[in-house]
Formats: sequence, structure tokens, C-alpha cells
Amino acid sequence: NAGVTQTPKFRVLKTGQSMTLLCAQDMNHEYMYWYRQDPGMGLRLIHYSVGEGTTAKGEVPDGYNVSRLKKQNFLLGLESAAPSQTSVYFCASSDSAGNTGELFFGEGSRLTVL
Amino acid sequence: LAKTTQPISMDSYEGQEVNITCSHNNIATNDYITWYQQFPSQGPRFIIQGYKTKVTNEVASLFIPADRKSSTLSLPRVSLSDTAVYYCLVGDTLPRAAGNKLTFGGGTRVLVKP
Repeated sequence: NAGVTQTPKFRVLKTGQSMTLLCAQDMNHEYMYWYRQDPGMGLRLIHYSVGEGTTAKGEVPDGYNVSRLKKQNFLLGLESAAPSQTSVYFCASSDSAGNTGELFFGEGSRLTVL
Repeated sequence: LAKTTQPISMDSYEGQEVNITCSHNNIATNDYITWYQQFPSQGPRFIIQGYKTKVTNEVASLFIPADRKSSTLSLPRVSLSDTAVYYCLVGDTLPRAAGNKLTFGGGTRVLVKP
């Protein structure tokens, strides 16, 4: 039982390049989320999904796209990376049937845009 | 979502009790109070959640006064490994269909010294 797995863990991009971050969870959770965390800051919600085939915008969605084609996977895409998107990205999932709404996080993906 | 205010940082020593107070004056009736812990280079981890009065688990205690406008996370007899950032989140874990979009603020950076 791996929980929430993010790939890749590290990536360096040049401005304008595109890339996709993959999040996979094996807990059969309905809800999945993508956050970004800048140095010394808290986490900000980018996009989230309440079920397979659904996505919604969070606090800071601009410059990102997401897809939830399979229940266990949540993809975060950057179509044209910018230096302002240099950050650590965290994926999380939660159970719709749980009492606490506890978020289970991955270990993060560190992205640097030059 | 209710806005939260918590101290930026706190220092403590091994074996002491650490109390972190979070203010949330505009907490709504359906809101729960949830605390997460984040170690460097890791995703946040759920610690405890409460609605009112006192909640205790194997890791911490959460004290919530009757007016629910603040809450205090208590970490008993801290060790060096408790050095982390602690986030206070206030929000509705229901309805499930809307997803859990709890907002992470800047958190409190706790440093435990030998």
C-alpha cells in the first residue's frame, strides 16, 4: 500500500517547455488535489477533483491544467512553463466517506523553471 | 472559508509542552478545526481534528473553547523530531460532494532545541 505517489520527484524545465506531473493513489479515494508550496509559505490549492472525469479550479489555477481520466490518477500539466511556476508541488487525496476529510499527501515534486 | 491566524514561529526545548494557538474569529457552524504537521521535504500529515471542547489522540490534544473562535494544539513532552511546521485549518469537511478544499495558511514553525 503505497498511498499517494508523485512522479517525477524532481524536474528542471526551460521557460516555455511543457510537462506533466503524475499523481497516483491506491486508497480508492474519490477526491484528489494539487497544491503548490513556495519557499517559507503554506500550500495553495491549484485544482482539485471530486471524482473520475471531474475537475475544478482552486485558488491559483492559472497556467495549469488537470485531468482525472482514471479514479486513481490525477495529472497536472504545465503547457508553457514560467519561472513563477518554480515550486514544490504536492498531490493529495481524501476519502469521501471518511469522517474527518483527512488529506493524504504525496512526497512532493520539486520543479525548477529556468 | 474561515481565515486563521497563528504565530509564525515558536521555540521550545526537549521534554517541554508546546501550545500553539490559532485564531479563527469567523468560524462557521459547520466548520471543523484540523491540524497538520509538515516536516522538511515532506507533504503535510494529519494530526488531529475537532469541533468543540477537547480532543486527544496519541500525538496531541486539541482544546476548543465554547465560542470556537480559537483553538490550541498541545504537543506534550516534545522531542527534537517534533521540529516541523504546524498548520491550523478551519473549514467544512462536508458536504462530501463539494470536496474538501481546506486552505493552508503559513503555519507555525516549531523548533525544538536540545
